[in-house]
Amino acid sequence: DSGVTQTPKHLITATGQRVTLRCSPRSGDLSVYWYQQSLDQGLQFLIQYYNGEERAKGNILERFSAQQFPDLHSELNLSSLELGDSALYFCASSVGVGMNEQYFGPGTRLTVT
Amino acid sequence: DAKTTQPTSMDCAEGRAANLPCNHSTISGNEYVYWYRQIHSQGPQYIIHGLKNNETNEMASLIITEDRKSSTLILPHATLRDTAVYYCIAALIWESGGGADGLTFGKGTHLIIQP
Repeated sequence: DSGVTQTPKHLITATGQRVTLRCSPRSGDLSVYWYQQSLDQGLQFLIQYYNGEERAKGNILERFSAQQFPDLHSELNLSSLELGDSALYFCASSVGVGMNEQYFGPGTRLTVT
Repeated sequence: DAKTTQPTSMDCAEGRAANLPCNHSTISGNEYVYWYRQIHSQGPQYIIHGLKNNETNEMASLIITEDRKSSTLILPHATLRDTAVYYCIAALIWESGGGADGLTFGKGTHLIIQP
């Protein structure tokens, strides 16, 4: 158990819909990262927040957005969903900014039908 | 971040040492070598990292060649639970002005521990 929690574990929704994935980092960690893992693209970095502020962006689509709240939990919002958005979405956390020892949650499996 | 190259898959007998190679010939002086593993659809798990010297922790040992162009992750006594995809990643550290981006995962090595 990494100490990172993600909800929900599974999500099934239809194309065009919007969903919110939630992540709680390990106690004391200030950085949260979001990753997407699909069969054809592998594990890809989406976005990072540090202490409530956006820190770095990776291959995140404009239809996707995220935020980190004062209690440090984070939410990833996915809108206008397409079939290709079906994937595992992982959240990771680390103590500080630029820390490469990241601790990953169990993931949310999103299925878009 | 420097590109890393790993074999697609490897087998190892249970109880033996599993040696996973990684090539990072273009690694820069301020990039660390990180190893993560992912057990079937679970979240990736941090294993170990190093810069120049060999490193050991409770999970594994990391051997980095003197020229830093390659490294080997060693699982000393592999068990069936070590079957996973192992990722070798070269990443800048924050103190070097990098490390703010997320990790770049390649395809990794699928290590299969045979009973």
